Amino acid sequence: GESVGLHLPTLSVQEGDNSIINCAYSNSASDYFIWYKQESGKGPQFIIDIRSNMDKRQGQRVTVLLNKTVKHLSLQIAATQPGDSAVYFCAENQAGTALIFGKGTTLSVSS
Amino acid sequence: GAGVSQSPSNKVTEKGKDVELRCDPISGHTALYWYRQSLGQGLEFLIYFQGNSAPDKSGLPSDRFSAERTGGSVSTLTIQRTQQEDSAVYLCASSSGQGAYGYTFGSGTRLTVV
Repeated sequence: GESVGLHLPTLSVQEGDNSIINCAYSNSASDYFIWYKQESGKGPQFIIDIRSNMDKRQGQRVTVLLNKTVKHLSLQIAATQPGDSAVYFCAENQAGTALIFGKGTTLSVSS
Repeated sequence: GAGVSQSPSNKVTEKGKDVELRCDPISGHTALYWYRQSLGQGLEFLIYFQGNSAPDKSGLPSDRFSAERTGGSVSTLTIQRTQQEDSAVYLCASSSGQGAYGYTFGSGTRLTVV
């Protein structure tokens, strides 16, 4: 079936570095994409979203890039902090359907 | 309430027993979703309620799984004759549109079948 996946299961960075987490999706009909952050023992927390009519969206310290040609999504975190350590999931959606999630990338930030 | 509330937070049950998991969505949210997350894995879609429409049950793994949403608010996920492979965290989320906005998730119910 259709699925969303992530390129790397783990990413380790130093505090202050920029982090890039990548995701490949397979459903070309998806028109909405979201990044979530999940800390241990908690539910996923919304970070940022982007619609398919855009290729870049910026938030506070985070940027999402969408490349529809190669069906690739990335999350960039600027000046990564220890509090950013968590599992990050990308998810895709078509209108009227439920979000489909990838397996996640575990980000570890060391001081 | 201020967020999505799930109960119980932890549930240990014996194989073969039935369990009920509860979700209280954010007030006014018309859409409600159930997902399952096995250890170290991503979120597996189970079922989706949108307003008064028939639910999308396409993610339910077997006929032992069912869910209801009463009065367009509280939802109950029922697992009959639980098996050890049902052990997982069951997450509920709600949103104000048909997937048009990011979901708000609860903290989940950790189910352990022994």
